[in-house]
Amino acid sequence: DAGVIQSPRHEVTEMGQEVTLRCKPISGHDYLFWYRQTMMRGLELLIYFNNNVPIDDSGMPEDRFSAKMPNASFSTLKIQPSEPRDSAVYFCASSFRHYGYTFGSGTRLTVV
Amino acid sequence: TQLLEQSPQFLSIQEGENLTVYCNSSSVFSSLQWYRQEPGEGPVLLVTVVTGGEVKKLKRLTFQFGDARKDSSLHITAAQPGDTGLYLCAGMEPGSGGGADGLTFGKGTHLIIQP
Repeated sequence: DAGVIQSPRHEVTEMGQEVTLRCKPISGHDYLFWYRQTMMRGLELLIYFNNNVPIDDSGMPEDRFSAKMPNASFSTLKIQPSEPRDSAVYFCASSFRHYGYTFGSGTRLTVV
Repeated sequence: TQLLEQSPQFLSIQEGENLTVYCNSSSVFSSLQWYRQEPGEGPVLLVTVVTGGEVKKLKRLTFQFGDARKDSSLHITAAQPGDTGLYLCAGMEPGSGGGADGLTFGKGTHLIIQP
């Protein structure tokens, strides 16, 4: 398996634009997570899915953020409209049950 | 949400030296995971400890879970430049059913091993 695949690796966008981050989890994993990492706050859980169903989105900062998982092999995290304070590295991770997470390489988002 | 404090925040040492980094909380965890993250990559799981007092070894890395399951340490013997990275601990809250909302990450220890 190629691991968790995220795209794009880097994204630079202007404030107010829509940003879509993509994730392909490991086949057979039943949990998918979206995290955000900054120096100040470390790793923060945004939302997670179990069997494609959103379970907890309490970490999503505000209504500008939304996430979907239309099937077991694909998820998106969308920010609309984007703001400079959204600049961070966004990670997708997957796991089988709750056994150790496999993270993707992340998307470095810069909003100018 | 339970808090995990990692110390030191930054550590730079010479190749060949030994080091220990810590992960502490005032709360009890049902299990604790250690990850290493290299620049530009996501965290990679190193080990999971479950039992209080448990010790696990991974080559030159020794992980220990405190008897009360509130803290953990990572000891590296004869550090090498390849050990450089951000070391993160993550604790699972008891009774969370293993859900991700029960997994709390510390902010990590940035480790640099100078050749």
